[in-house]
Amino acid sequence: DTGVSQDPRHKITKRGQNVTFRCDPISEHNRLYWYRQTLGQGPEFLTYFQNEAQLEKSRLLSDRFSAERPKGSFSTLEIQRTEQGDSAMYLCASSFQTGEGGYTFGSGTRLTVV
Amino acid sequence: AQSVTQLDSQVPVFEEAPVELRCNYSSSVSVYLFWYVQYPNQGLQLLLKYLSGSTLVESINGFEAEFNKSQTSFHLRKPSVHISDTAEYFCAAFQGAQKLVFGQGTRLTINP
Repeated sequence: DTGVSQDPRHKITKRGQNVTFRCDPISEHNRLYWYRQTLGQGPEFLTYFQNEAQLEKSRLLSDRFSAERPKGSFSTLEIQRTEQGDSAMYLCASSFQTGEGGYTFGSGTRLTVV
Repeated sequence: AQSVTQLDSQVPVFEEAPVELRCNYSSSVSVYLFWYVQYPNQGLQLLLKYLSGSTLVESINGFEAEFNKSQTSFHLRKPSVHISDTAEYFCAAFQGAQKLVFGQGTRLTINP
């Protein structure tokens, strides 16, 4: 297992377009998290899954954002009608259920909305 | 109030000098505490963690952090830094036992 994989690494899109990011977690981990990180800030929690169930969503996750983990393995994060304020690094992480061992993060997807 | 507060946004030090990166947490988070490091254009890597037991925890590359309940702090220290330690460091804690919340980060810059 090579860790948490995120695809693409970089995405440039025009305002108003839809984008979708993919995250492949560590296979033994049943929890998967999405975070957003803007320049000079710490990661901000967006949502998390336990297996295929989405258990919590942040207020940051507007109705233009949707996340899925259909089979409890990989996850997708879609942003519809992108805005310039959506420009950020989107980080995915996974963990065992308790999470006490810490999260394993992917390298992130950097989104630039022009 | 911020759940996890990192008091310094940037810390410049000279190579081989000691360094302390400060982190304070609020009562709204648990005392499962973590430090993560982020090198340029990479994701976050776990540096060390405190769950219970000894209040002093160490990483494999010479960093250590001490959990201080009375001061609600979990400061990160290294007695002698190297150029390769240049990175952004994030303190984190569990909120509601469900998700990690992070501080704003401290950029550590090592000058030769």
